[in-house]
Amino acid sequence: AQSVTQLDSQVPVFEEAPVELRCNYSSSVSVYLFWYVQYPNQGLQLLLKYLSGSTLVKGINGFEAEFNKSQTSFHLRKPSVHISDTAEYFCAVSGSGGATNKLIFGTGTLLAVQP
Amino acid sequence: DTEVTQTPKHLVMGMTNKKSLKCEQHMGHRAMYWYKQKAKKPPELMFVYSYEKLSINESVPSRFSPECPNSSLLNLHLHALQPEDSALYLCASSQGWGARTEAFFGQGTRLTVV
Repeated sequence: AQSVTQLDSQVPVFEEAPVELRCNYSSSVSVYLFWYVQYPNQGLQLLLKYLSGSTLVKGINGFEAEFNKSQTSFHLRKPSVHISDTAEYFCAVSGSGGATNKLIFGTGTLLAVQP
Repeated sequence: DTEVTQTPKHLVMGMTNKKSLKCEQHMGHRAMYWYKQKAKKPPELMFVYSYEKLSINESVPSRFSPECPNSSLLNLHLHALQPEDSALYLCASSQGWGARTEAFFGQGTRLTVV
């Protein structure tokens, strides 16, 4: 079974500073990794995904993530954050085949951007 | 159109009421999902429909009854709910029931059971 761990429940950062949100996964099968963002009182929006190929994945809103198989990590980064990036960020994993197709979410990290 | 539309946005219901949540997508997606999200928690999968057939039921209590009338619509019928069922209910859809496909989420229905 797959699982994903987001160690940081909240990350405070000043506007225009860089940020990294950490995500580690475990799986006994091939994995596909996703980052979703949820703004207050909204649904989830896909930021980026890793399916295969290049380990550096670029997404929307200037975010990127790097898949590291040896460290089983998929950390999300942005070089310069804006106030509007304040939201909950969820890392998610799915496997391949049958019940492992299910999207399993981490517990989320609240990115709090301060002026 | 890359939207998943959920109605209503907010719902307050008593424990003896019967109500339904509705979800609609016009992206031609063949997989649709219901998730439940409690405050400050991640979404939890409840049901998966693939080609209008129920593929996964995550041991959800029978007071929640899903229905997929056609490939664009997904309903969640609610009956005799408990206060602990209060949550944000999210609908999502994807091209197919597969690990590589991106899920598109609706804005959710915020349900309060009184």
